[in-house]
Amino acid sequence: NAGVMQNPRHLVRRRGQEARLRCSPMKGHSHVYWYRQLPEEGLKFMVYLQKENIIDESGMPKERFSAEFPKEGPSILRIQQVVRGDSAAYFCASSPSPGAFTDTQYFGPGTRLTVL
Amino acid sequence: AQTVTQSQPEMSVQEAETVTLSCTYDTSESDYYLFWYKQPPSRQMILVIRQEAYKQQNATENRFSVNFQKAAKSFSLKISDSQLGDAAMYFCAYAGTASKLTFGTGTRLQVTL
Repeated sequence: NAGVMQNPRHLVRRRGQEARLRCSPMKGHSHVYWYRQLPEEGLKFMVYLQKENIIDESGMPKERFSAEFPKEGPSILRIQQVVRGDSAAYFCASSPSPGAFTDTQYFGPGTRLTVL
Repeated sequence: AQTVTQSQPEMSVQEAETVTLSCTYDTSESDYYLFWYKQPPSRQMILVIRQEAYKQQNATENRFSVNFQKAAKSFSLKISDSQLGDAAMYFCAYAGTASKLTFGTGTRLQVTL
């Protein structure tokens, strides 16, 4: 059973470009979470999605950031007009079922975004 | 809002010895889960152990065990017979009815020969 997949593992963008991060949850998992880890800090929650629905986006910056989890395909975290402060590791996690707070979240390897 | 506090930025332990990492949390919820995750230099987040708040019995996974004190809102991780591969950042995390994980700031564990 493959784990959570994220790609790319490393992404370099210049200021003002768009960054698109992908996450494929574990097989059978229908809940996806995105977290951001700034250098030397812990992970901070960004957004929680189920298929075609955003459940909780309380951690998402109000501008430039968006996320989706379509019926088919991976979850996408999109950052428009990136700035140097967006440089961080972005982790995706998935969990299996409704009542998700009872389920353990399993993490992908992360995408390290560097903004030049 | 829930908060998780790890007051030890760094800890060191000799190989084969035992070390305890501290974690406290604050919540008004009665049902929740607590986790310890390990982040080695590869940066992969690896689940170490999980504790359900309604269970009085402390969770154990091989060399890893927790001391869960619900009234004190304390959730420490004990690593026995420490190995070089245990060297990593360790994060304590809380999950309540909102599903999202709230993490502490982490403890960097060094294992020495």
